[in-house]
Amino acid sequence: GEDVEQSLFLSVREGDSSVINCTYTDSSSTYLYWYKQEPGAGLQLLTYIFSNMDMKQDQRLTVLLNKKDKHLSLRIADTQTGDSAIYFCAEVYNFNKFYFGSGTKLNVKP
Amino acid sequence: DVKVTQSSRYLVKRTGEKVFLECVQDMDHENMFWYRQDPGLGLRLIYFSYDVKMKEKGDIPEGYSVSREKKERFSLILESASTNQTSMYLCASTETGELFFGEGSRLTVL
Repeated sequence: GEDVEQSLFLSVREGDSSVINCTYTDSSSTYLYWYKQEPGAGLQLLTYIFSNMDMKQDQRLTVLLNKKDKHLSLRIADTQTGDSAIYFCAEVYNFNKFYFGSGTKLNVKP
Repeated sequence: DVKVTQSSRYLVKRTGEKVFLECVQDMDHENMFWYRQDPGLGLRLIYFSYDVKMKEKGDIPEGYSVSREKKERFSLILESASTNQTSMYLCASTETGELFFGEGSRLTVL
């Protein structure tokens, strides 16, 4: 369960939707997370999903989990320039073993 | 709010110097972590600790050691810094699954 993969870059126009994808390898993960890192800062939790859920919606954010394909996605509706950041997906086992993807740098063009 | 504080935001050291990176959390968390972040590689776990005086190696422990003498403090030590240890170092803590991060310490080894 240590291979979490993400594409490195995504560029969208302000107002469009952004979809950031992530694949993971171990189906025994208990939680899957999305973290956001703004320039010069640490990571902040954006949202998470339990492994027994398929979808979670939180305002402009929608998380989709396809357990069969081990695929996680984060959709940001009406993307704003303030959403420009690096987004990391992560899986966790036993509440203390976290594995992170390489991060996707989202660039939002005005 | 949980606060994870890293003592130094920016450090510049010379090859061979001993380096201490300090991290303090204020929420009585059992688990603390040190990650290294490099572009395109995401976060890689160096060491973690699940209790005072307890530690476990992560994925890249070589060249590093840690100390957890008090529950709130987790220190990362580079016994003899090398140029390939130039990186961003992130400390984190958790109790129930959400990982809280510090702002990061950017270390440059000349």
